[in-house]
Amino acid sequence: AQTVTQSQPEMSVQEAETVTLSCTYDTSENNYYLFWYKQPPSRQMILVIRQEAYKQQNATENRFSVNFQKAAKSFSLKISDSQLGDTAMYFCAFMKHVKGGSQGNLIFGKGTKLSVKP
Amino acid sequence: DGGITQSPKYLFRKEGQNVTLSCEQNLNHDAMYWYRQDPGQGLRLIYYSQIVNDFQKGDIAEGYSVSREKKESFPLTVTSAQKNPTAFYLCASKVERNTGELFFGEGSRLTVL
Repeated sequence: AQTVTQSQPEMSVQEAETVTLSCTYDTSENNYYLFWYKQPPSRQMILVIRQEAYKQQNATENRFSVNFQKAAKSFSLKISDSQLGDTAMYFCAFMKHVKGGSQGNLIFGKGTKLSVKP
Repeated sequence: DGGITQSPKYLFRKEGQNVTLSCEQNLNHDAMYWYRQDPGQGLRLIYYSQIVNDFQKGDIAEGYSVSREKKESFPLTVTSAQKNPTAFYLCASKVERNTGELFFGEGSRLTVL
């Protein structure tokens, strides 16, 4: 069975600074997808970034980037130039891949509460 | 606009009552999911459905039931057998066998009085 671990329950960062959120996972699968989702106080879950395990290049989306270390089963999220609107819960998630795409459900970590301070 | 609509947003229930949470999507997605969120627990899967008239239990299905009679709809019933139903419930959907991104509704908060 797959598991996802986020070891930082809470973090804070000053506005405009950079912060890195950690995520590790355990799986015997070779092909899979990894995600970071953001849940602001409104509680709407929003996809931040996605990484396919077969791609060596780390995914980036504007100020958000990941450091994907497949051998170490590590998938950290870096937020550059932090903004007040980045204040939210951040969830790391895993989904296994089968031929033709993904399958099954998303397995989530317990989340990291990020506070961006002015 | 395409999206996922959950209703009601807030619901109060007396102990011993069944309640049904609605989830409707107009994204033409094949798969739909129900997650439960508790403080410090992350999201845990209750049920999911990959096609109409078929669904599978997730990790915490006891005390819950679902149906999938239409592609657009995946209602969740919280029965009186669920011992601790107070929680935040999230519905999600995705195109099956794509890159895996789930789209979420805004959630329903259930409180048992």
